Amino acid sequence: GQNIDQPTEMTATEGAIVQINCTYQTSGFNGLFWYQQHAGEAPTFLSYNVLDGLEEKGRFSSFLSRSKGYSYLLLKELQMKDSASYLCVRGFQKLVFGTGTRLLVSP
Amino acid sequence: NAGVTQTPKFRVLKTGQSMTLLCAQDMNHEYMYWYRQDPGMGLRLIHYSVGEGTTAKGEVPDGYNVSRLKKQNFLLGLESAAPSQTSVYFCASSYSGQGGAKNIQYFGAGTRLSVL
Repeated sequence: GQNIDQPTEMTATEGAIVQINCTYQTSGFNGLFWYQQHAGEAPTFLSYNVLDGLEEKGRFSSFLSRSKGYSYLLLKELQMKDSASYLCVRGFQKLVFGTGTRLLVSP
Repeated sequence: NAGVTQTPKFRVLKTGQSMTLLCAQDMNHEYMYWYRQDPGMGLRLIHYSVGEGTTAKGEVPDGYNVSRLKKQNFLLGLESAAPSQTSVYFCASSYSGQGGAKNIQYFGAGTRLSVL
């Protein structure tokens, strides 16, 4: 993705906690989304941050630091169904997608 | 409530053939988008529309045309398909482009296109 960096792949164990990091180009920043995409399916919205800090939504939380151009997605109590790609996305009207982090959750 | 519906789900074309991909949304969204997704690359915006009768170019518009004659429909056309257009195509819609929850994009299930 354009100036969005996130790890290509991560592995974790069921029940564990995993943090997926994302760095992005800060110029023209106007919001940071996280989307989940299961293999062969459409992306679905997970979270949105526009101000610094942590947004919590059930097992998923997302953090943003605008000055550092940094965000992370935190997944708690991992389940097998969380195996998917997680897309870091910047922008408002025209979104810029990262290439995604493929998370593999093992028993 | 169907959300965003794309047709067809799969298609195989020969080089030079033309086709139209249809996207329909029933959420009364103003904004609609067409993306392509290729291995190792993020979703890339082809064209988008901010309302009925309007269209605009995205990041990779060459070889594609679009039309938004009705608010609920956004059509993507390939006039002369090329092997480089083999990809998965996603349509999306959002309430607006004003930011926050109004800009959450909802995606269709995708169209898998192969050009031989």
